[in-house]
Amino acid sequence: SYELTQPPAVSVSPGQTATITCSGHNLELKFVYWYQQRPGQSPVLVIFQDTKRPSGIPDRFSGSNSANTATLTITGTQAFDEADYYCQAWDGTTAVFGGGTQLTVL
Amino acid sequence: EEHLVESGGGLGQPGGSLRLSCATSGFNFTDYWMSWVRQAPGKGLEWVANIKQDGSEKYYGDSVEGRFTISRDNTKKLVSLQMSSLRVEDTAVYFCARADCSGTSCPGWFDTWGPGIPVTVSS
Repeated sequence: SYELTQPPAVSVSPGQTATITCSGHNLELKFVYWYQQRPGQSPVLVIFQDTKRPSGIPDRFSGSNSANTATLTITGTQAFDEADYYCQAWDGTTAVFGGGTQLTVL
Repeated sequence: EEHLVESGGGLGQPGGSLRLSCATSGFNFTDYWMSWVRQAPGKGLEWVANIKQDGSEKYYGDSVEGRFTISRDNTKKLVSLQMSSLRVEDTAVYFCARADCSGTSCPGWFDTWGPGIPVTVSS
């Protein structure tokens, strides 16, 4: 079965840039989606189709996808961005989530 | 505003059954695939099942294939998950999610989520 691999944790200082990666076989051939989940809350879509932001998501959030790795970048990271982040892609008719990355802002 | 609300969770016995429902409002229900995603305590997200707009296609994750059944009622704007042969490892918060898409990339992204409902499987 298809797998997406994320680092379990990433730390960043306030105001700096956070980078969260998601790797998978031939991932560049698939669309990747990113979700933010704060503790006790439902996931929120922050990036769709590799690079697009839903309305209401700040332009501090951006995405890319090339060479087996998709990347979520958060510039000017704020304490409010502290959350778990999940990547997701489709393997045929099956949705696959990465294991999630806990972003700590300290 | 789009709204999803799950119901029907609670305590189930190993080997038993539970039925979850998701009531929707604020959007044209028949335009979207609908999905269930779950999250075990302290764990990540796991996709459970999908159903196409007209109910003609249904897909399941390996861990629930043959035990869970997804269905929808387009007149009531409702999507359901019938869970049978429950296992302890089915314990999780279950989220109902709307799947949007573009062009031929359907289903695509989960753009609207319910608050989730806990299911505990224990004897």
